[in-house]
Amino acid sequence: GQNIDQPTEMTATEGAIVQINCTYQTSGFNGLFWYQQHAGEAPTFLSYNVLDGLEEKGRFSSFLSRSKGYSYLLLKELQMKDSASYLCAALDSNYQLIWGAGTKLIIKP
Amino acid sequence: GAVVSQHPSRVICKSGTSVKIECRSLDFQATTMFWYRQFPKKSLMLMATSNEGSKATYEQGVEKDKFLINHASLTLSTLTVTSAHPEDSSFYICSARGPAGEINEQFFGPGTRLTVL
Repeated sequence: GQNIDQPTEMTATEGAIVQINCTYQTSGFNGLFWYQQHAGEAPTFLSYNVLDGLEEKGRFSSFLSRSKGYSYLLLKELQMKDSASYLCAALDSNYQLIWGAGTKLIIKP
Repeated sequence: GAVVSQHPSRVICKSGTSVKIECRSLDFQATTMFWYRQFPKKSLMLMATSNEGSKATYEQGVEKDKFLINHASLTLSTLTVTSAHPEDSSFYICSARGPAGEINEQFFGPGTRLTVL
């Protein structure tokens, strides 16, 4: 079956760095997305990886290893506004998004 | 970036009534739109995929007669929750995917919070 695993909750300190891991098993693979979702709001796009390697975009970076079925989202210089849920989603062979349950990130001062 | 709007953003209705939610792609044509529901502290659950001009494809366990989806144009899809009951209370989110050839991104609407009394 298809499955996405990511930690349920993580805590980090303002100004620090945090890495949120995601492993996936899908029928075919057409890329991996990371979304940020604040409580009561719709998800907002953060990154898309389809090739192996690291994509850097400001304070956020995303990494993909297709052979390992693994991705991570790296957040640097954490700010209080980064407190949110981070959703990992893989695009399968039918171009359907398979969603993880999300990682709730708590930032402490 | 591409913008998707959703209306209404919040609706409260009585049990037994029907509620229509609209999803519009404002600056691009969306051949495919998706409808999700999300319960508190849970991830998104895909309800159905709608393609312009054809019938929606419903996920297993989603009642097509209860959740009516119409994708009449390349910029508009509607979800009608018929004979709503309190257990239908949820956060409903639509997303749209652009024509083939673009990045496989889905652009999300802001969501509609439905409360059925």
